[in-house]
Amino acid sequence: DIQMTQSPSSLSASVGDRVTITCRAGQSISNSLNWYQQTPGKAPKLLIFAASSLQSGVPSRFSGSGSGTDFTLTISGLQPEDFATYYCQQSYSFMYSFGQGTKLEIK
Amino acid sequence: QVQLVQSGAEVKKPGSSVKVSCKASGGTFSSYTISWVRQAPGQGLEWMGRIIPMDDITNYAQKFQGRVTITADKSTTTAYMELSSLTSEDTAVYYCATIKTIFYRTGDRLGEFLDIWGQGTMVTVSS
Repeated sequence: DIQMTQSPSSLSASVGDRVTITCRAGQSISNSLNWYQQTPGKAPKLLIFAASSLQSGVPSRFSGSGSGTDFTLTISGLQPEDFATYYCQQSYSFMYSFGQGTKLEIK
Repeated sequence: QVQLVQSGAEVKKPGSSVKVSCKASGGTFSSYTISWVRQAPGQGLEWMGRIIPMDDITNYAQKFQGRVTITADKSTTTAYMELSSLTSEDTAVYYCATIKTIFYRTGDRLGEFLDIWGQGTMVTVSS
């Protein structure tokens, strides 16, 4: 299985801040990297696919970048509804795997 | 638009098995790939496996090999995930989700991701 490592595991920020979450793959996964947002009690929601493609309906303040082994999710201008947990997930192998998650909290 | 509706919460004894269903509506069931993901209380997401109903092809995460069986009934457009030899470590919310693949105009794969999710099924393993 391909190991996915996210950092940080938690992050405190204020409304309006710009934050970056990092995801590292244990081997090169090209651009086969997705980002999801999850709020308590809800199923995850896709934000970004193929490392940098914004899913339809997702605000443009979310952006993704990277290829190979290193990827980032950036949220520019945090909104109250963005405080949630974020997961990266690789789809390079049909045996998917997730990062351990990054919990974004209000400072 | 596809919708996935999962079966209700379960309470199981250690050593027993659980079978969770995921009924799809609003689309062409045979054209989907259905994946199962679980989330223990306060923990992250864990991919368990997938099935291509058209061919009944399955793939399982190594961690669950031999203990999980994913099936699909095309006549009822329902996918199932059965997990055996349950322990308290299997207490979790279990989700089904469709896998969507996006292609470039050239036919090359642009991306693949978990698209539509079920509402989740809580499985509690307790003596």
